[in-house]
Amino acid sequence: KAGVTQTPRYLIKTRGQQVTLSCSPISGHRSVSWYQQTPGQGLQFLFEYFSETQRNKGNFPGRFSGRQFSNSRSEMNVSTLELGDSALYLCASSWSLTFSSYNEQFFGPGTRLTVL
Amino acid sequence: GNSVTQMEGPVTLSEEAFLTINCTYTATGYPSLFWYVQYPGEGLQLLLKATKADDKGSNKGFEATYRKETTSFHLEKGSVQVSDSAVYFCALSGTGNQFYFGTGTSLTVIP
Repeated sequence: KAGVTQTPRYLIKTRGQQVTLSCSPISGHRSVSWYQQTPGQGLQFLFEYFSETQRNKGNFPGRFSGRQFSNSRSEMNVSTLELGDSALYLCASSWSLTFSSYNEQFFGPGTRLTVL
Repeated sequence: GNSVTQMEGPVTLSEEAFLTINCTYTATGYPSLFWYVQYPGEGLQLLLKATKADDKGSNKGFEATYRKETTSFHLEKGSVQVSDSAVYFCALSGTGNQFYFGTGTSLTVIP
């Protein structure tokens, strides 16, 4: 079974630009979560989607948004990039039978975003 | 609320030494507990898990026991190898099942 894939793996942008990152979950997984990882803040939860609905949301500004498609693939978008958005963005998928059930998360390799 | 506190790093050990990485948690309800490992340049991989009190998770020589009375889930390995060098994250999923991660503990094993 293929793992979680994320594209692109590396990205360089400049301040003020916007960026879209993509995540394809493990086949059959309906839940996709996004995390931001930085040396200073560690792993911070952005949001989680299940069957195209946002189920959980972390404490990030509205510049960070996401969506999930009917095939469970997910994208996250960051608008008006700031230098502090430079980070490793990790996507994780999990098998959830229903909206109220959960399971352990399987992570992709991440997208390394550098904002200049 | 839910939170995870894990031992500050970095930790440096000689090969074949005993490893303990402490993890304590605060949670409402009955969380599931996890240890994830991140090797350089990679995403996180599930190392082991425990879903109820007194459960012991184990994998690749690593063990952790879910201790409800001390709200702990310490990671141990009897004899570390150079290939165990990585960052280790303790995590919980609780009511509402959002995952909460610790800050990570970097382990370096020297030959």
